[in-house]
Amino acid sequence: EAQVTQNPRYLITVTGKKLTVTCSQNMNHEYMSWYRQDPGLGLRQIYYSMNVEVTDKGDVPEGYKVSRKEKRNFPLILESPSPNQTSLYFCASSFGDPTEAFFGQGTRLTVV
Amino acid sequence: GESVGLHLPTLSVQEGDNSIINCAYSNSASDYFIWYKQESGKGPQFIIDIRSNMDKRQGQRVTVLLNKTVKHLSLQIAATQPGDSAVYFCADRGGYQKVTFGTGTKLQVIP
Repeated sequence: EAQVTQNPRYLITVTGKKLTVTCSQNMNHEYMSWYRQDPGLGLRQIYYSMNVEVTDKGDVPEGYKVSRKEKRNFPLILESPSPNQTSLYFCASSFGDPTEAFFGQGTRLTVV
Repeated sequence: GESVGLHLPTLSVQEGDNSIINCAYSNSASDYFIWYKQESGKGPQFIIDIRSNMDKRQGQRVTVLLNKTVKHLSLQIAATQPGDSAVYFCADRGGYQKVTFGTGTKLQVIP
């Protein structure tokens, strides 16, 4: 089954404790991206990657890092999480460019 | 700055009627537009897309209209069903491979 898998689905952490949210897709997609979703603000793009070892900033990259060492994986790293990073995070993938993206189920992160 | 927005936060429609969800965008360089549906507790799901060289595209029960003159697009859902209840987002590709989403419209279908 074609899918984008995020882990964990739910996470509560403390300020400053480094964390990684994993994202994996099994569709051989080149393009992957991370979004955060906040009430009233919709989805905002954090980072995107057009292929292995190619990443670029989206609209809200501050406080986040990503890597793309393999085509199928695109982890999101929060080196020092802060409460303002409490949000619902989505990973997405698509062929070539951001057309017809497939989204994961989301990761709800709470930073206290 | 550039933005993609929606006219109404909530739309209530009687089951069987047609739904029209509107979206305004401001980036005249946007060349590609996408509609997504997000059901409660799930990630967004692709519905339909349209490129800037088109003004209409039809899918199964859905039609997207693009008016570049006034920077407006709409999603029309024919014979709305309870399963159509969700939040609908428009998105555009403006800058280089960057995607900007609107804030969403919640569609409520009244049985």
